[in-house]
Amino acid sequence: GQQVMQIPQYQHVQEGEDFTTYCNSSTTLSNIQWYKQRPGGHPVFLIQLVKSGEVKKQKRLTFQFGEAKKNSSLHITATQTTDVGTYFCAAHGSSNTGKLIFGQGTTLQVKP
Amino acid sequence: DTAVSQTPKYLVTQMGNDKSIKCEQNLGHDTMYWYKQDSKKFLKIMFSYNNKELIINETVPNRFSPKSPDKAHLNLHINSLELGDSAVYFCASSPYLGQGDTQYFGPGTRLTVL
Repeated sequence: GQQVMQIPQYQHVQEGEDFTTYCNSSTTLSNIQWYKQRPGGHPVFLIQLVKSGEVKKQKRLTFQFGEAKKNSSLHITATQTTDVGTYFCAAHGSSNTGKLIFGQGTTLQVKP
Repeated sequence: DTAVSQTPKYLVTQMGNDKSIKCEQNLGHDTMYWYKQDSKKFLKIMFSYNNKELIINETVPNRFSPKSPDKAHLNLHINSLELGDSAVYFCASSPYLGQGDTQYFGPGTRLTVL
């Protein structure tokens, strides 16, 4: 079945350093979504990318969708302790069922 | 004014018992989902319903039975609980059935089977 691979699984950074997580699919994606889950919390929608090569920014967060629509990345500039959590990419399955296939997630730890 | 709510938040039970988790959304969404998140934080869809109709039924043991009495509610009943059922179960909803919809997650139910 369709899979979305996400790396790295864990990332520890010093506060102020940058952070990037990557998602890859072997198939072309119609769109990709990003979610953040704080420790002990639930996934919360961050953004959706639809167009080839699309780049969107939310303050210190930059989201990119690859030209071939097979990969995506989330980059955080100058991390803060509030960025701690697990970041998931998710793509809709090929059938029109609303099914979201999640990447394995990248857990970010930020040392103050 | 919680958007997606689940009860209970924690559930500790013995192997072999039957338990239910309830989910309600007040967003007026048509579609609701159940996800299982394992200890490695991997999120996997189990079921989805659209206007009370079952849409997605992943390869989940038939000990798990979802029920949607109306489009605002999606409950999950689990029979004969096993140790491997221990996980966090998230309910979610989205406006419609289709690609491109944002999913709104409930707070989760942490199930521990002893």
